[in-house]
Amino acid sequence: DGGITQSPKYLFRKEGQNVTLSCEQNLNHDAMYWYRQDPGQGLRLIYYSQIVNDFQKGDIAEGYSVSREKKESFPLTVTSAQKNPTAFYLCASTGFGGTEAFFGQGTRLTVV
Amino acid sequence: ELKVEQNPLFLSMQEGKNYTIYCNYSTTSDRLYWYRQDPGKSLESLFVLLSNGAVKQEGRLMASLDTKARLSTLHITAAVHDLSATYFCAARTHSGGGADGLTFGKGTHLIIQP
Repeated sequence: DGGITQSPKYLFRKEGQNVTLSCEQNLNHDAMYWYRQDPGQGLRLIYYSQIVNDFQKGDIAEGYSVSREKKESFPLTVTSAQKNPTAFYLCASTGFGGTEAFFGQGTRLTVV
Repeated sequence: ELKVEQNPLFLSMQEGKNYTIYCNYSTTSDRLYWYRQDPGKSLESLFVLLSNGAVKQEGRLMASLDTKARLSTLHITAAVHDLSATYFCAARTHSGGGADGLTFGKGTHLIIQP
């Protein structure tokens, strides 16, 4: 079945650590996105990528980094520079024309 | 900068009643999306509206788009408890092969009571 797979489902980070969230899709979609969701805040765009080896900052990119070495994969690294990383992270992808955006199941990151 | 506003942000209603959620966006957009989110879960796509006057219906939910007014509505008919969830609208400003990402409203937390 085609879809988007995020892993892990739950992730715990210690202060000062970098952690990487995985996002893989087998939908042959060109564009991929990372969103952050805080309670009562809706979703905010962190980074997006339209093609391999290219990506752009979204509204809240500080403290995050991404790579797009393969069309199927768009991992997000939450760096130690992100001071308040506890949130629900969602990855999405869209095909040509963006007629529909599909979301992964999300990763819940908690700082301990 | 595209801004998307939903209202109400919280809605408690009784089963069997009708209600409408409103989604206003600030600049021209060529796509309007509606999603449902259950607690602790990801987003489930409900509707994608592509043109002015577009109307889509699925069960008790109907979505419409007025691009001139920059307004989309999600209408709930004869609500049932299973429709309790948070509903998000999102708008996109870019057309063609690329994508700028979706801008989301803050969501409408809907509770339907028996």
